[in-house]
Amino acid sequence: GAVVSQHPSWVICKSGTSVKIECRSLDFQATTMFWYRQFPKQSLMLMATSNEGSKATYEQGVEKDKFLINHASLTLSTLTVTSAHPEDSSFYICSAGGQRYEQYFGPGTRLTVT
Amino acid sequence: DAKTTQPNSMESNEEEPVHLPCNHSTISGTDYIHWYRQLPSQGPEYVIHGLTSNVNNRMASLAIAEDRKSSTLILHRATLRDAAVYYCILRGNQAGTALIFGKGTTLSVSS
Repeated sequence: GAVVSQHPSWVICKSGTSVKIECRSLDFQATTMFWYRQFPKQSLMLMATSNEGSKATYEQGVEKDKFLINHASLTLSTLTVTSAHPEDSSFYICSAGGQRYEQYFGPGTRLTVT
Repeated sequence: DAKTTQPNSMESNEEEPVHLPCNHSTISGTDYIHWYRQLPSQGPEYVIHGLTSNVNNRMASLAIAEDRKSSTLILHRATLRDAAVYYCILRGNQAGTALIFGKGTTLSVSS
């Protein structure tokens, strides 16, 4: 199957700082990328959908000014958590959609805000 | 999105078959049934998907009820590496549609 990478795999930052997470589709062009968040012992929650070259569509309750998504190319999407706080600590997972049904997930990024 | 209902947890022994059920009584005619699984501290991975007919691949089989209101994921011989959370998800076949995850079934496999 296709490969999606995320960088970094884990990050620790101080409260009030911003963190950028990269999501790359390594062997295919992803017209659509998705960002999810997962708290411990909970399911994945969709945060936003981004299409290359256009603004992301955020799910209800997700602050677009706090979680900045950029999908500048068909192989790269970035999620920036601005002014991070401890409650933003979570496992962030991206996925990339192919041309049909397939959706490939990255390995996730664990964010800890101290 | 149509809702799915799965048991919270199931247990299995190594080398034995596992049948993971999923109810989706409000499924629409264009919804595909997708199964993903998530190992601890990893992103989900695709297992199998189908529309009406039973499907087989190297990982598993998917048995779909004739009325499509339920389905069963079958792992033919469970291994310790199959211990994961298994998600049954309904989604249309349109490109660009997100997968919406429910709570899934946590499968434990004992040796």
